[in-house]
Amino acid sequence: EIVMTQSPATLSVSPGERATLSCRASQSVGNTLTWYQQKPGQAPRLLIYAASTRATGIPARFSGSGSGTEFTLTISSLQSEDFAVYYCQQYNNWHRTFGQGTRVEIK
Amino acid sequence: EVQLVESGGGLVQLGGSLRLSCVASGFDFSSYEMNWVRQAPGKGLEWVSYISSTSRTIYHADSAKGRFTVSRDNAKNSLYLQMNSLRAEDTAIYYCARDDSGIAFDNWGQGTLVTVSS
Repeated sequence: EIVMTQSPATLSVSPGERATLSCRASQSVGNTLTWYQQKPGQAPRLLIYAASTRATGIPARFSGSGSGTEFTLTISSLQSEDFAVYYCQQYNNWHRTFGQGTRVEIK
Repeated sequence: EVQLVESGGGLVQLGGSLRLSCVASGFDFSSYEMNWVRQAPGKGLEWVSYISSTSRTIYHADSAKGRFTVSRDNAKNSLYLQMNSLRAEDTAIYYCARDDSGIAFDNWGQGTLVTVSS
């Protein structure tokens, strides 16, 4: 099983600031990495796939980068609606493991 | 508009069984792979099961192997999860999620809550 580790667990950011979230895989997954956003009481929402491709309708302030074992999700200028929990997921094999999540909260 | 609507959750005793359903609309269900993902209260996401569009290929997480069975009925646009021998740690919201060619879960249902109690 590929273990996905996200850091930090919680990120406190002021509106308008940049947020940088990290995701590390226990073995190389190439670029088979997806990011999701989840708000309280809602289902997850697809943000980024193939490590860096934004899903349909996702604002340009969200960007993904990385390959192999190290990945980053960057939110360039946090808006009020961006405060949520973010999960990475690998799809290198069919056991599609998620990271434990990073909560982005208002500072 | 793509819609996925889960049902079948509820309160069940330890060791009991439950069958979850997910009805799809707004897309050609028979052409898509599907998944079940769960989320324990206050915890993160855990992939549970995958089924190919034709049901030929099925995968389950180790936590579900031997107890859970995923199936689908393309004629009814429906996905199912039969859960047996339920444990307290199976308590979670269960989501069905459409699979975009093995790349991402691009649409999710609103989830159905399963509570396993003693």
